Amino acid sequence: RKEVEQDPGPFNVPEGATVAFNCTYSNSASQSFFWYRQDCRKEPKLLMSVYSSGNEDGRFTAQLNRASQYISLLIRDSKLSDSATYLCVVNGRDDKIIFGKGTRLHILP
Amino acid sequence: DGGITQSPKYLFRKEGQNVTLSCEQNLNHDAMYWYRQDPGQGLRLIYYSQIVNDFQKGDIAEGYSVSREKKESFPLTVTSAQKNPTAFYLCASSPDRGRGNYGYTFGSGTRLTVV
Repeated sequence: RKEVEQDPGPFNVPEGATVAFNCTYSNSASQSFFWYRQDCRKEPKLLMSVYSSGNEDGRFTAQLNRASQYISLLIRDSKLSDSATYLCVVNGRDDKIIFGKGTRLHILP
Repeated sequence: DGGITQSPKYLFRKEGQNVTLSCEQNLNHDAMYWYRQDPGQGLRLIYYSQIVNDFQKGDIAEGYSVSREKKESFPLTVTSAQKNPTAFYLCASSPDRGRGNYGYTFGSGTRLTVV
């Protein structure tokens, strides 16, 4: 099993819709979880941390399911500007940070 | 404003040349990292440093070298031994010596092309 796995997509979603994607991780001892956003030919930028109790930032909600070892990102009322690749980041063995390969999201007008 | 500065933004290298990519941060972060990203691929760790004058190999260190003489600076040299250096290179830093509890801040990257 890969340390961090994401559906590569692309997810093609009409503007205004709600979209969600998951990321699974293999190390049950992982403690830190993040979602990053990467625009085409740009650097990744931290979107949000993922807390055990789940957390929300505007239209974005992140959740952690430790039993099934996955994190999720939900985007409500999607905007054209949400089009990007979303990277899942988990600290793995020896606290090494592992980046997923990303899920591509296209918001359609 | 605090951040990470990478230069140059674009770099062209001839076969057999060594080139050095600059990475400077004014965030007072202890840990710094170099990643490589190929088109449609994830980030792969080249080298990292958790403290001045110390660094460790990542997953794909062959053909690369680094130094960490100052807390603020972590330059990456792509040597002629790196057979496929064309890629997007990203430098990152974190405040907690690599424990990853606070996430990473990235520079804007250097796009290296072999000509």
